[in-house]
Amino acid sequence: EIVLTQSPGTLSLSPGERATLSCRASQSVSSGYLAWYQQKFGQAPRLLIYGASSRATGIPDRFSGSGSETDFTLTISRLEPEDFAVYYCQQYGSSPRTFGQGTKVEI
Amino acid sequence: EVQLLESGGGLVQPGGSLRLSCAVSGFTFSSSPMSWVRQAPGRGLEWVSTINSGGAGTFYPDSVKGRFSISRDNSRNTLYLQMNSLRAEDTAVYYCAKWASPGYYDYWGQGTLVAVSS
Repeated sequence: EIVLTQSPGTLSLSPGERATLSCRASQSVSSGYLAWYQQKFGQAPRLLIYGASSRATGIPDRFSGSGSETDFTLTISRLEPEDFAVYYCQQYGSSPRTFGQGTKVEI
Repeated sequence: EVQLLESGGGLVQPGGSLRLSCAVSGFTFSSSPMSWVRQAPGRGLEWVSTINSGGAGTFYPDSVKGRFSISRDNSRNTLYLQMNSLRAEDTAVYYCAKWASPGYYDYWGQGTLVAVSS
């Protein structure tokens, strides 16, 4: 099973700042099969990024993903108030599909 | 508009059973593999099961294999999760999610809470 470790656990930033979130895999994620989700308190997760770098439908271009093999990054170029949430990475290159433990982006 | 609406959660005693449902609209359900993903209180996300579009192929992690059973009724646009021999560690919000090839989840329901406690 691939273990995904996200860092930092919490990121304290202000609106307008840049956020850089890391997701490290215990073994290589085949074909860059990594997704990112945003979850606001009391809500369901929302798909942001798939295939490591492809934005999902309707996702603003301030969200970008990069990386390969074992190291992946989600970048939010300029934080908007609605971006403060918990972010999860997920690998789907091997079974079982696994998620990271999450990074909370707070004000 | 894609909508997924779970129901059937509640409080159940250890060893008990519960059946969750997920009513779907806004996409061609019969062509879409579907999954259940859960989130224990204050914790991260855990994949629970996946079913292919026709219903013949089902997949589970070891943590629920033999206790949980996923199924679907394509005539009713509804996904199910039968949960037996429930344990305290099964306490979580259960989300149904539309599976997108090759394995991420592009739409999620709002979730239904399952609490296992005596």
